[in-house]
Amino acid sequence: DADVTQTPRNRITKTGKRIMLECSQTKGHDRMYWYRQDPGLGLRLIYYSFDVKDINKGEISDGYSVSRQAQAKFSLSLESAIPNQTALYFCATSDRFYEQYFGPGTRLTVT
Amino acid sequence: DQQVKQNSPSLSVQEGRISILNCDYTNSMFDYFLWYKKYPAEGPTFLISISSIKDKNEDGRFTVFLNKSAKHLSLHIVPSQPGDSAVYFCAASANTGGFKTIFGAGTRLFVKA
Repeated sequence: DADVTQTPRNRITKTGKRIMLECSQTKGHDRMYWYRQDPGLGLRLIYYSFDVKDINKGEISDGYSVSRQAQAKFSLSLESAIPNQTALYFCATSDRFYEQYFGPGTRLTVT
Repeated sequence: DQQVKQNSPSLSVQEGRISILNCDYTNSMFDYFLWYKKYPAEGPTFLISISSIKDKNEDGRFTVFLNKSAKHLSLHIVPSQPGDSAVYFCAASANTGGFKTIFGAGTRLFVKA
């Protein structure tokens, strides 16, 4: 089984809808992250959490919110989806500060 | 403002030859650098890293070189294999002023058999 799982893997939604992306990990790491990948821009950090009670904004947090339900679970929500949030979303975990372990990604399309 | 730049979107190399992927950064606060490899429909996987106190780190066929004065790092793959065909992301991290890891846009490597 994969160490970091993301659900759903693909999602198409309409503008204005609320959507939640979920991430679970079995690595026992305290630190979890959400990134988005856009063509030509690499991965950009949306939110990160260093433990269950710690939530921090990344460089592109506007329009997103997160919830750290447990050490192993970190969810990303789009309260009112817009087309420019169409992207590939990755969850990642780490135990040390630097090396991160990524999930397989969620491809989100907002029409 | 791209703090980490990978100026070559793609690179094509013959099997058995050396692949050299380049990365430039602008922020002197970065003290740790990483390379990740990504296959289609998968998440990035960690490949190799280097601390700013070193100028070279080697792991099998993969070597990362860091030139702090030029704010430049490179990944060398020798010999290149078709299975190395993937997108490679450079990342730079800082442990001061809060958490920061910035990724480059990636370089797509094609290794031809």
